[in-house]
Amino acid sequence: EADIYQTPRYLVIGTGKKITLECSQTMGHDKMYWYQQDPGMELHLIHYSYGVNSTEKGDLSSESTVSRIRTEHFPLTLESARPSHTSQYLCASNSGGQPQHFGDGTRLSIL
Amino acid sequence: KNEVEQSPQNLTAQEGEFITINCSYSVGISALHWLQQHPGGGIVSLFMLSSGKKKHGRLIATINIQEKHSSLHITASHPRDSAVYICAALKGGGADGLTFGKGTHLIIQP
Repeated sequence: EADIYQTPRYLVIGTGKKITLECSQTMGHDKMYWYQQDPGMELHLIHYSYGVNSTEKGDLSSESTVSRIRTEHFPLTLESARPSHTSQYLCASNSGGQPQHFGDGTRLSIL
Repeated sequence: KNEVEQSPQNLTAQEGEFITINCSYSVGISALHWLQQHPGGGIVSLFMLSSGKKKHGRLIATINIQEKHSSLHITASHPRDSAVYICAALKGGGADGLTFGKGTHLIIQP
């Protein structure tokens, strides 16, 4: 079983709030990813990291930011949430050429 | 046009039927993934393949690199197989992030 955890699972919050979505993995994976999935749509890569202090933007432009201060932790932050940020956010990790392990996702709703 | 196309988009079948989901991609890849997503949103990796065929239980995945096509088969389908099945391409070189198809919504009726 994959050991990658996302919190919260669900978040409903008002416009303008600062939000941090947590993602942690206990597998020692060096690579971590954030994907965004709008309802009924495909997933898109928004951020990835190859290791500590490494962060890159993905294929889909996002107003969110990420940090990778520790190997096991890859939080995603929205400084000022807007309704357009309503989506599901999935975190994943892997090492080398191995399959990515996915978290259960965070369903975010901005009112 | 998406770089990864899946068909069918929706599929309803009876328990026991043989299921085939197709995936075509238009980019160079180093590997192709088949993923399963349940209604709660969590995703499980089923297969990662770069050539030939892989089998796990009742699931079989094949890939034809020359034709840029992959298929996922489910034998003796069961209602618990109901989920969204997603094809995702790992492009060669650069980032390891995946490029996803839109998914196939599979419902297996008892």
